[in-house]
Amino acid sequence: QAGLTQPPSVSKGLRQTATLTCTGNSNNVGNQGAAWLQQHQGHPPKLLSYRNNNRPSGISERFSASRSGNTASLTITGLQPEDEADYYCSAWDSSLSAWVFGGGTKLTVL
Amino acid sequence: EVQLVESGGGLVQPGGSLRLSCAASGFTFSNYWMNWVRQAPGKGLEWVANIKQDGSEKYYVDSVKGRFTISRDNAKNSLYLQMNSLRAEDTAVYYCVRDYGDFDYWGQGTLVTVSS
Repeated sequence: QAGLTQPPSVSKGLRQTATLTCTGNSNNVGNQGAAWLQQHQGHPPKLLSYRNNNRPSGISERFSASRSGNTASLTITGLQPEDEADYYCSAWDSSLSAWVFGGGTKLTVL
Repeated sequence: EVQLVESGGGLVQPGGSLRLSCAASGFTFSNYWMNWVRQAPGKGLEWVANIKQDGSEKYYVDSVKGRFTISRDNAKNSLYLQMNSLRAEDTAVYYCVRDYGDFDYWGQGTLVTVSS
């Protein structure tokens, strides 16, 4: 089953802004958007943003999500060392009747 | 506090079977879709299966159809994954995940290793 497309890696400096992208199609991202998850090494993923771009309780305002057509984006402002992690997007694919993930983006904070 | 605790992982030979369990607490289990998501060593996330609140609907990723079965027992607040005909490529950490429209709570995972 086809997944979503994310760049494998992004590097940004401390206190800078990073924008991660996730590209799908009209059956998944273009239909209901994409959620975003953060995973630190050795830990389970944590939900950062719902598909409607709202943040769960307790998630910093530095994380904001948006969508344009079939591409979803996660913007992280004021990068901190603890933001260094893998980031995944997820979406429900209505044609596959399946959840699909992006391959993940490894964010490095320089 | 929402808690999801997986168990049942381990080493199994190719062609073997394993049953994973997930004990849920801290929320009304019967109100939520539930999922299994796996992650092979050093790889990304892969959704495996999900099940509706009352068990009436189930969906699977193509690679496990006919081999894996998801089920739940709402009286015991438990989610299960019966895995048969296991292959080396099924080796992964398997996470139990609550679905509140999206994957909002994850367990710590249980490692399944398929090897001879």
